[in-house]
Amino acid sequence: QKEVEQDPGPLSVPEGAIVSLNCTYSNSAFQYFMWYRQYSRKGPELLMYTYSSGNKEDGRFTAQVDKSSKYISLFIRDSQPSDSATYLCAMSLNSGYSTLTFGKGTMLLVSP
Amino acid sequence: DAGVIQSPRHEVTEMGQEVTLRCKPISGHNSLFWYRQTMMRGLELLIYFNNNVPIDDSGMPEDRFSAKMPNASFSTLKIQPSEPRDSAVYFCASSPPSTSGIKRDTGELFFGEGSRLTVL
Repeated sequence: QKEVEQDPGPLSVPEGAIVSLNCTYSNSAFQYFMWYRQYSRKGPELLMYTYSSGNKEDGRFTAQVDKSSKYISLFIRDSQPSDSATYLCAMSLNSGYSTLTFGKGTMLLVSP
Repeated sequence: DAGVIQSPRHEVTEMGQEVTLRCKPISGHNSLFWYRQTMMRGLELLIYFNNNVPIDDSGMPEDRFSAKMPNASFSTLKIQPSEPRDSAVYFCASSPPSTSGIKRDTGELFFGEGSRLTVL
């Protein structure tokens, strides 16, 4: 079992739809959970991060973490064509020199 | 402010040739990471430097790969000899030091635009 599993997609939705992106993980020691967005031919950029369980909202984006189920989600409300990108989940341990473990990413296509 | 700068952006070479990828991290950042991204395997961490010292190189695939960070503003990733299976996008990322004394890893990695390597 891979440490972080993420459906590669592509996920195609019409503009204005609510999008749900998800990751599951196997290591219960992960404490920090992130979502990175990667546009075509660009490097990933941090979109949101959360610590431990709970929800975090930022504009049209909501990140959820359910540590009991080892499951994290990113919701995008009122999706826009500019949201078309690959979304990578990432997570890290609670230690001084821990590094990020990334999912493979889900490609999202929002059509006008 | 300038972000992480990588060169070359694209490299096409023949099997057996030496490849050198270069990275300039963001000024003031003290951690530097080299990642490789492929469709099959996603983003894989190759090596991680902190204050110019390699901390974790367990992701370096084999002895053909080597990385150096001679100073805080420059790092190289070298592949010698290159093979077709090395074809991928190689990303460099940097992160700032912790300012609060609490663990650093809140996830903010700043990535360059990547070096796309094709080995024929």
